[in-house]
Amino acid sequence: KQEVTQIPAALSVPEGENLVLNCSFTDSAIYNLQWFRQDPGKGLTSLLLIQSSQREQTSGRLNASLDKSSGRSTLYIAASQPGDSATYLCAVDCKAGKSTFGDGTTLTVKP
Amino acid sequence: SAVISQKPSRDICQRGTSLTIQCQVDSQVTMMFWYRQQPGQSLTLIATANQGSEATYESGFVIDKFPISRPNLTFSTLTVSNMSPEDSSIYLCSVEVAEGQPQHFGDGTRLSIL
Repeated sequence: KQEVTQIPAALSVPEGENLVLNCSFTDSAIYNLQWFRQDPGKGLTSLLLIQSSQREQTSGRLNASLDKSSGRSTLYIAASQPGDSATYLCAVDCKAGKSTFGDGTTLTVKP
Repeated sequence: SAVISQKPSRDICQRGTSLTIQCQVDSQVTMMFWYRQQPGQSLTLIATANQGSEATYESGFVIDKFPISRPNLTFSTLTVSNMSPEDSSIYLCSVEVAEGQPQHFGDGTRLSIL
């Protein structure tokens, strides 16, 4: 059974800092890995999708990496802003569409 | 990409009643899913909604408690039956437009049972 762990559970940084969120998974036989953002009381917004054959994806200030062999992914956020404050969720697909989610990292960026 | 509308956005229900949540997508999609997010926790997959056939449920979820319909490629419903306070959660619909594409989520239905 796939298990997904996110560290840290919460993170508070001053505006402008670069930061890294971590995601680890136990079963390396994955289809893809997706990072989401969830704002309070809202659904999930897809940030980046990394296919199992890829090592990283970039979108603006976000960069996600994937190391299947070690069961790890990181989400790097450059030059953080208060608007980045949210919960970030990592989800791993071991079978088409069946995602296992981590518990998330709650990020607070202080002005 | 896909735009997903969920209704209702929130509801407060009495113990023992049932509520049906609707999920409408603005385009035909191959896969539709229903998730539950209990307070302070992450998402757990309830079932995959299969078009024209019975849903595929994950371990711990049964059809009698969470009946699901998917009459076409753009619409699905999830019913939470005989509700108890333990069913108080956010219920989210998600879709995968095509295999290997990102999953997209609706805003969820926040359900409270008194």
